[in-house]
Parts: sequence; C-alpha cells; structure tokens
Amino acid sequence: GQQVMQIPQYQHVQEGEDFTTYCNSSTTLSNIQWYKQRPGGHPVFLIQLVKSGEVKKQKRLTFQFGEAKKNSSLHITATQTTDVGTYFCAGRSSGSARQLTFGSGTQLTVLP
Amino acid sequence: DAGVIQSPRHEVTEMGQEVTLRCKPISGHNSLFWYRQTMMRGLELLIYFNNNVPIDDSGMPEDRFSAKMPNASFSTLKIQPSEPRDSAVYFCASKLQNSGNTIYFGEGSWLTVV
Repeated sequence: GQQVMQIPQYQHVQEGEDFTTYCNSSTTLSNIQWYKQRPGGHPVFLIQLVKSGEVKKQKRLTFQFGEAKKNSSLHITATQTTDVGTYFCAGRSSGSARQLTFGSGTQLTVLP
Repeated sequence: DAGVIQSPRHEVTEMGQEVTLRCKPISGHNSLFWYRQTMMRGLELLIYFNNNVPIDDSGMPEDRFSAKMPNASFSTLKIQPSEPRDSAVYFCASKLQNSGNTIYFGEGSWLTVV
C-alpha cells in the first residue's frame, strides 16, 4: 500500500534559524497537502500542491512539490516561536480511490 | 461558521467499559473521517463515510470498534469493550467529497482507558 514518510521526526532550532521538513511517497501522488498541529491542538490545513514542480509561498513558509510528484518539502525561513508544532504532509496516490495518507509528521521546537 | 464538533472532549474510563465518541461534521460536507492519533503510531485513518455510507473501514483495529453515520449531521465511534491500548486522541474530520478538498478536523476526543 501507499506509504508517506517524513523526515526528520523531530527538529529543534534556535529562533531565527531556518527549518525544512521533507515528505516522500512510495507512489506518485495526485496532490499533496500540508497540515500544522499545535501542541494539544488539531491538524489545520495549510496548503495543497497539485502540479509537478509547483512552488507556493505563504509569508515565511515555502512549499514545493517534486517534479516526479513523489516528494514534497516545507521550508520555514527565520523561525519564530509561533511556528512550534507538528507539520504533516498528506498525499493520495494517482488513480487511487483511497483517501489521503498522512505522513508521520515533523515535530518542530523553536528555542527563544 | 461552526467547525467539526466532537464530544466528549475528554473521557477517562475503566477497562471493559463501552465508550461512545460523537461527531457533527461541518454542514454541507458529505465526507466524514475518523482518525486516531498516538505517539507511537501517529495519525491513523480508522474509517470514512461518503454520503453517510461507510466506504473504507480497513483501518478499524478490530471488532471492538464500530462506527455509524445515521444521517448527514451525526456520526459515532464506539469501542466496546475498551482496553488501555485504546487510549489516544480520536479526531473526526469532514470535507466535501472531492479528492482535492481540504479536510477540516474537530478538536478531538482525548480518551484514557485505565
């Protein structure tokens, strides 16, 4: 079955440093979504990427979908304490009727 | 607008007891999901419904778990009998039935089985 893997599992950064999490799928994806979950909270949708090689930006966040549509990344520039949380990618295999498969998440800690 | 509403928010129960978790999806959404989240296993899809019909329950751990959706605005996830290893956060989520639409999560039901 489809597997979606994320690395790293944990990341501690000093406030102001950059952060990147990577998502890799065992199958080609029709689209990929990114979610953020604050400690004690619930996952909240951030963005969806659909096109091969697509890059989208939200303020300090940059999202990229690989050319082969099997990987994706989320990069945060100059992290702030408000960026703390777990970032999940979620993807669905092309041609599959199955729903989104969530990655294991990257837990980001930002040290003031 | 009201989001996905779950109850109870927190429940502590003794092993062997029946647990019923409830969910009200966002009005107009016709897909509903039940997820379980633990430190060890992350976010797991248990079951999802389209137009109140269960489509895929392959994620349901075992026969102790059952889910129903009697109408478009209500779903339940039942565990009977509960076991300590069922302790987790159970999220309900909903979306419009389309592969690209965003999934909206409820705030979760935090279950502890002692």
